Amino acid sequence: GAVVSQHPSWVICKSGTSVKIECRSLDFQATTMFWYRQFPKQSLMLMATSNEGSKATYEQGVEKDKFLINHASLTLSTLTVTSAHPEDSSFYICSASASLEFFGPGTRLTVL
Amino acid sequence: RKEVEQDPGPFNVPEGATVAFNCTYSNSASQSFFWYRQDCRKEPKLLMSVYSSGNEDGRFTAQLNRASQYISLLIRDSKLSDSATYLCVVGLDNYGQNFVFGPGTRLSVLP
Repeated sequence: GAVVSQHPSWVICKSGTSVKIECRSLDFQATTMFWYRQFPKQSLMLMATSNEGSKATYEQGVEKDKFLINHASLTLSTLTVTSAHPEDSSFYICSASASLEFFGPGTRLTVL
Repeated sequence: RKEVEQDPGPFNVPEGATVAFNCTYSNSASQSFFWYRQDCRKEPKLLMSVYSSGNEDGRFTAQLNRASQYISLLIRDSKLSDSATYLCVVGLDNYGQNFVFGPGTRLSVLP
């Protein structure tokens, strides 16, 4: 199966700072990447869908100015949480899709 | 070796059939285990948690074998609406985060 990586796997930051999370498809070209947010013991919440070279499509209720998504190449998408606050602390998972969808290992964000 | 591996699939079964999915995980420190269902172009939804004692929810039965690091999902009397991708998910803690997703197994239930 295909491999999707995320970096960093865990980040702790101060309130007000910005954090960038990278999602890479290591052995295939992903036309579409998805960003999810995971709340404890709940299903994933889709935040946005990102197609290479175009603007991301955000789900209702997700602030596009707070969660900046860049999908500059077929193997890399980044999610930047701007001016992070403690309520942004969560587990962020990306997935990459060509025909099938493959999930990354997730990034745990803790905002102090 | 990947952390979570599943049957490659796809599984094509007739309505009413019983189908079993298998999943193995490599990290013996894993604490929590789940099956998710993902419909085409939709976000994954939690189907059920998996407990050591095994658990059942209607037509769905999940089993966990910690010694063998093996998880299974059994679907009885399959319906057309069961067609989806089933993802085995292993958590590294008990808080429902730090998940590792398996690659998923596609199920198509045929009329």
